[in-house]
Amino acid sequence: NAGVTQTPKFQVLKTGQSMTLQCAQDMNHEYMSWYRQDPGMGLRLIHYSVGAGITDQGEVPNGYNVSRSTTEDFPLRLLSAAPSQTSVYFCASSYSFGFTATSTDTQYFGPGTRLTVL
Amino acid sequence: AQKVTQAQTEISVVEKEDVTLDCVYETRDTTYYLFWYKQPPSGELVFLIRRNSFDEQNEISGRYSWNFQKSTSSFNFTITASQVVDSAVYFCALSGYNFNKFYFGSGTKLNVKP
Repeated sequence: NAGVTQTPKFQVLKTGQSMTLQCAQDMNHEYMSWYRQDPGMGLRLIHYSVGAGITDQGEVPNGYNVSRSTTEDFPLRLLSAAPSQTSVYFCASSYSFGFTATSTDTQYFGPGTRLTVL
Repeated sequence: AQKVTQAQTEISVVEKEDVTLDCVYETRDTTYYLFWYKQPPSGELVFLIRRNSFDEQNEISGRYSWNFQKSTSSFNFTITASQVVDSAVYFCALSGYNFNKFYFGSGTKLNVKP
């Protein structure tokens, strides 16, 4: 298993440009999420999906779009990049758990994408 | 509202010292999960432990131990005999019954000096 993969690892954009951050997982997880990590603020949820065709907003959704056409892929789109979107972006995936979760079940994170908007 | 507070921004210790990282959480859910992740300088997030709200047993794994107390809404993490390789940012996180939303604390940066 490759786990959760993200591309690109680094990206520099100019203000106003658009781009898509790619995320894929090969663990057949129902849930996928996007987070951004800013200094001193931990990780904050941008958007999440509980299955193909179903997405919802997290804490900081403005300026980002997502779609989930397959179980494996969950791309994050920046429509018009702004300097405030300079951050490290993490994609994550997990099964849908409840009381059946085993002791090692958790949300698995990709390696991150470092985005700079000039 | 869900919230995780890690009041310690940065801690510095000398190798072999014990260190405790604090985590306080807020939730209205009756069933929830608590997590600790480690983020080394390389940047990836490494899962350390998950705790269920209905299981208050403390846990020990090698030099790591976790103290979960529902009465004080705390889930503290202790490293015994710290090592330089423990230097990292440590995040505490909270999720509800399903794992679709995680709420992270702001992290504690641990510096272990030789």
